[in-house]
Parts: sequence; structure tokens; C-alpha cells
Amino acid sequence: DVKVTQSSRYLVKRTGEKVFLECVQDMDHENMFWYRQDPGLGLRLIYFSYDVKMKEKGDIPEGYSVSREKKERFSLILESASTNQTSMYLCASNGRRMVYGYTFGSGTRLTVV
Amino acid sequence: GQQVMQIPQYQHVQEGEDFTTYCNSSTTLSNIQWYKQRPGGHPVFLIQLVKSGEVKKQKRLTFQFGEAKKNSSLHITATQTTDVGTYFCAPFKAAGNKLTFGGGTRVLVKP
Repeated sequence: DVKVTQSSRYLVKRTGEKVFLECVQDMDHENMFWYRQDPGLGLRLIYFSYDVKMKEKGDIPEGYSVSREKKERFSLILESASTNQTSMYLCASNGRRMVYGYTFGSGTRLTVV
Repeated sequence: GQQVMQIPQYQHVQEGEDFTTYCNSSTTLSNIQWYKQRPGGHPVFLIQLVKSGEVKKQKRLTFQFGEAKKNSSLHITATQTTDVGTYFCAPFKAAGNKLTFGGGTRVLVKP
């Protein structure tokens, strides 16, 4: 089975901290994605990458950056965490064939205090 | 932002009854995917629809893509407690190989 692993299930950080959310997939997928999920707003795309060192902005990139130095790893960075970034963060990956859909990680629930 | 509107947002269903959730777009879609997210879980891929008028079945779930490829539906027959969760439709944008998710329909089942 494809596995997408997110490093932390729960995180609590202070306002202004730099936060790293890590995501690793084990199926040699080209494409990786970061979403945030908030009640009433569904899933919103933050950033995505379709190759090593490539990144593209999604719908809500402000306040975030990403890094993809290796194919299997896609990191989401909150440069200076703010309380409005408290959310569930979901990483996903998929290969070239969309027919198999996205595989999501279990999510990281981040609370910024 | 969201390209599709899902209705209803919430659905309370008596166990054993059928229900349908709808996904509507103002623009023509190239294809659309459906996902299910159990409470406390993450979205899981269910199916992809590509062709105009396409109908696909997975046991008690029937997925349909409209003739004009502007809407899609998910019909669940004889609802069970295992159907509890949020169902998302997600149209696919070929540019960047990315999905935009609808707001989801949250389904609660009354035993």
C-alpha cells in the first residue's frame, strides 16, 4: 500500500515560531501537495510540487513556504506562525496517473498559541 | 478557491434509507474525483469519472457524471453506519495535476 507519513499528529507552537511540517511518501510519486482543512471551508491547497526542487503556489500560499529537496519528502514551512494558521494540515501525493487519485497522510493538527 | 458547490452540506439519514449528494460546477470539468473522510480520519480516494454521462458503481455507491460534465452525484443505497463521514467531490485541473475540493457533504446515520 502507498504510504504518506506526516511526522507529527499534533503540534502546539507559539506565535512567531518557525514551524516545519514534514511529509514523506514511499511510492516514488512525482506529485506532492499540502492542504489545510478548516471547518466549513473544506480542503484548500497551499502549495504543490511535481518534481524535486519544483514548487507551485496553490490557492492560499500566503504565510507558507515549501521545500522539496528529495523526491520522497515535501516540507511545509510556516516562517512565523500566527494564530490564524491553527488548522489541520494534510499532505498528499500521487503519481502521473490520476486514475488512482491522491493518497493522503493522516494529518497534522497544528495549534498556534 | 472552490470550483464546485456541494449540496447538501449536511445529511442526516436513517439507517437503511437511500440518499444522494450533488456536486455542481459553473464550468465544464475535464474529470472529477470523489473522496470519503471518516470522522477523525483523512480523505480516501473512491473513484474518478471522466466521460460525459459516465456511471460507476462500488457496491452500494453509485457515482454519476453529468452529460454536460458540469455536475456529478453520489447515491448511496441502504445506508449503513459505516457510511458515516464527509464525502468530497474534487474536479481535476490538468495544469499542475491538482485537485480543488468541494466543501463536502457531511453524512450522519441514525441507527
